[in-house]
Amino acid sequence: AQTVTQSQPEMSVQEAETVTLSCTYDTSESNYYLFWYKQPPSRQMILVIRQEAYKQQNATENRFSVNFQKAAKSFSLKISDSQLGDTAMYFCAHSGAGSYQLTFGKGTKLSVIP
Amino acid sequence: GAVVSQHPSRVICKSGTSVKIECRSLDFQATTMFWYRQFPKQSLMLMATSNEGSKATYEQGVEKDKFLINHASLTLSTLTVTSAHPEDSSFYICSARSRVLVDTEAFFGQGTRLTVV
Repeated sequence: AQTVTQSQPEMSVQEAETVTLSCTYDTSESNYYLFWYKQPPSRQMILVIRQEAYKQQNATENRFSVNFQKAAKSFSLKISDSQLGDTAMYFCAHSGAGSYQLTFGKGTKLSVIP
Repeated sequence: GAVVSQHPSRVICKSGTSVKIECRSLDFQATTMFWYRQFPKQSLMLMATSNEGSKATYEQGVEKDKFLINHASLTLSTLTVTSAHPEDSSFYICSARSRVLVDTEAFFGQGTRLTVV
């Protein structure tokens, strides 16, 4: 069974500053994928970034980057130059390579303060 | 990116009636669709997985006779909440994946807020 743990229910950051959201996971899969999804007040789930476990290089998408520590089963999200539009719930998720099911963490509510 | 359209976005129904929620993949073939339920301020809980042309696989604790899922074509899956009760009020979200299109990514619908009165 897979589990995803987000230990920060809420976080806040000043506009233009950097913030890091934590995520740890447990998996029995040898190959898997990790994701960060954003859910703004509209509740539309938006993919922020994804990481393939067999790739050692950390994924980066513009202001968003991850710190993937496979041995520690840690997958944190760093948001640089935070913007007001980044205010949302952020969910960390896991998917086995052969299965398409996503297991979500409980989420972190991020507030960007002007 | 690929688009998944979920309809309706909001629905209010009377207790005891049934409600159908549609999830369509607009520009790709969804070989697998997922239905999630999300309570206020909580995470997404997987209810069931459906593959086109076969019966849905339900997660433990989800009543398959209450939450009927049909995935009759590669672009449409439906979730029917039968004999709805107030405790079924929730936010329901579908997602779709294709083995052909960006193999590892799931595309989400906009969600449906169901209120049973």
